Amino acid sequence: RKEVEQDPGPFNVPEGATVAFNCTYSNSASQSFFWYRQDCRKEPKLLMSVYSSGNEDGRFTAQLNRASQYISLLIRDSKLSDSATYLCVVVNSGYSTLTFGKGTMLLVSP
Amino acid sequence: NAGVMQNPRHLVRRRGQEARLRCSPMKGHSHVYWYRQLPEEGLKFMVYLQKENIIDESGMPKERFSAEFPKEGPSILRIQQVVRGDSAAYFCASSPTPLQGSGNTIYFGEGSWLTVV
Repeated sequence: RKEVEQDPGPFNVPEGATVAFNCTYSNSASQSFFWYRQDCRKEPKLLMSVYSSGNEDGRFTAQLNRASQYISLLIRDSKLSDSATYLCVVVNSGYSTLTFGKGTMLLVSP
Repeated sequence: NAGVMQNPRHLVRRRGQEARLRCSPMKGHSHVYWYRQLPEEGLKFMVYLQKENIIDESGMPKERFSAEFPKEGPSILRIQQVVRGDSAAYFCASSPTPLQGSGNTIYFGEGSWLTVV
């Protein structure tokens, strides 16, 4: 089983739609969780941290379910500029680095 | 406040040559990470360094690859005798503290795109 798994997509949605991505992780001792965004041929950029209590930043909501070992990202009112690849990221206990999923591609169309 | 600086942004090498990629972390950050992204693949961890020390090199290929982060100057990722399979984007990232238990994360530079011809 891969450490961090994501549906590669692409998810094709119209502007204004709500879209959700899920991500599962294999290490139950994982400590910290993040969503990054990566545009084509650009560096990954931090989108938001993910907390057990859930957190919201504008149109973006992230949730963590430790019991089921999955993380979700909800994007409301999608914009064309949201088109990108969304990377699920974990910090595992005993490791000193971030482990990235392969990403989920989102395409928002007019 | 300058972000993570990488150079060169683009590098073309012939098979058998050496590639040197440089990374200066964000101001106040002493922890540096190198990741590689092959075409159509995810980011793969290579090495984690702190000033003058390699902390974790579990992702580094056993041969031809080396990394350093000297007391003065940028971190260097060195690839000797490059092959076509080394063509990839190499991203450097930095953090102010170790990641474990801190809740901190890492911030990436714009990447160095290596093409081996």
